[in-house]
Amino acid sequence: AQSVAQPEDQVNVAEGNPLTVKCTYSVSGNPYLFWYVQYPNRGLQFLLKYITGDNLVKGSYGFEAEFNKSQTSFHLKKPSALVSDSALYFCAVRDRNTGRRALTFGSGTRLQVQP
Amino acid sequence: ETGVTQSPTHLIKTRGQQVTLRCSSQSGHNTVSWYQQALGQGPQFIFQYYREEENGRGNFPPRFSGLQFPNYSSELNVNALELDDSALYLCASSLESGGLQETQYFGPGTRLLVL
Repeated sequence: AQSVAQPEDQVNVAEGNPLTVKCTYSVSGNPYLFWYVQYPNRGLQFLLKYITGDNLVKGSYGFEAEFNKSQTSFHLKKPSALVSDSALYFCAVRDRNTGRRALTFGSGTRLQVQP
Repeated sequence: ETGVTQSPTHLIKTRGQQVTLRCSSQSGHNTVSWYQQALGQGPQFIFQYYREEENGRGNFPPRFSGLQFPNYSSELNVNALELDDSALYLCASSLESGGLQETQYFGPGTRLLVL
């Protein structure tokens, strides 16, 4: 079975500081990994994904994520946080070996950026 | 915006009733996936439709059913509503080619309240 863990319910960071939102995953084969962001009363918005190749993936709005196979992690990062980055962030995984169609999501991490 | 639309935006039903939610996929996409997001949780996969056939199902009872139409739009039907069905229902469209690396793009969701 595939699963995702987001160990922090909330992350607080000051505007202009770097941010990290943590994600670890468990799959039986090799993963496809995704990050989505959800603003209040909105659906999920795609940020970036890891398929293969370079372990550092760059996405929308200055976000990037680092895939670490040995630690089974896919942490989301941004060098300089903005107040407008405050939202709910979800990590998701698909196991490319099982053929399972579903995205499995973590429970989400609320990012609060203080001015 | 993703181009995925859902209707209605909000809905209130009573226990035991039936509900139909609708989703129009992004232009060029052939696959629709449905997710249930309970308050404070990550989305949970309900099922996926590809070329008008169910193409994977999560751990939801048979009273959750769906359809996909020739134009790739989709419906989610829930019979015999229960209080625990209160949630945000998200539709995601994608262009699936069998590799599982495809990105799912989400609509804004339908918020269902069961009283």
